[in-house]
Amino acid sequence: SYVLTQPPSVSVAPGQTARITCGGNNIGTKSVHWYQQKPGQAPVLVVYHDSDRPSGIPERFSGSNSGNTATLTISRVEAGDEADYYCQVWDGSSDLRVFGGGTKLTVL
Amino acid sequence: EVQLLESGGGLVQPGGSLRLSCEASGFTFSSYDMSWVRQAPGKGLEWVSGISGNGVRILYADSVKGRFTISRDNSKSTLYLQMNSLRAEDTAEYFCAKDYYDSSGYPTGAFDLWGQGTMVTVSA
Repeated sequence: SYVLTQPPSVSVAPGQTARITCGGNNIGTKSVHWYQQKPGQAPVLVVYHDSDRPSGIPERFSGSNSGNTATLTISRVEAGDEADYYCQVWDGSSDLRVFGGGTKLTVL
Repeated sequence: EVQLLESGGGLVQPGGSLRLSCEASGFTFSSYDMSWVRQAPGKGLEWVSGISGNGVRILYADSVKGRFTISRDNSKSTLYLQMNSLRAEDTAEYFCAKDYYDSSGYPTGAFDLWGQGTMVTVSA
């Protein structure tokens, strides 16, 4: 089955840029989606199709995908961005959905 | 209001069964593929099962195949997950999630609407 690998944690100071990676074999050929999950809450879709944002998601959230790595970039990080972030793909070979292990973003 | 509301969670003994429900409102339920996603305490998200809008195409993660059954009743706008032969490792918060379709009406593979979750605890 397809495996997505994320770093367990990323730390960043307020106002700086956070980059969260998601690694997978030829992930650049797949469409990657990103979710934000705060404690005790359901996940929220923040980026889909590698770099598109659903309505209501700030422009500070962006994404890219190439080769074996997809990246979620959060610009001008705020305290309210502190959360767990998950990448997800639709594995075409199996038709199954796959999540990465998640990355805890800490705002220093 | 567009929302999903899960119910049916609880404490069950190993080997037991439980049926989860997810009632949808605020959108045309039958037009969307739906999924169940779970999260063990302190762990990450795990996709469990998905079903097409018409209920014809059904998929399961290997971890639950043969034990769980997903279904839907479009007349009631409700998604179900029948869980049999439950194990301790099935202990998790179970979320239902709606597929996100882009502006052209094609499925993106992402989930744009989630319920608040229902907790399932498998323990003797």
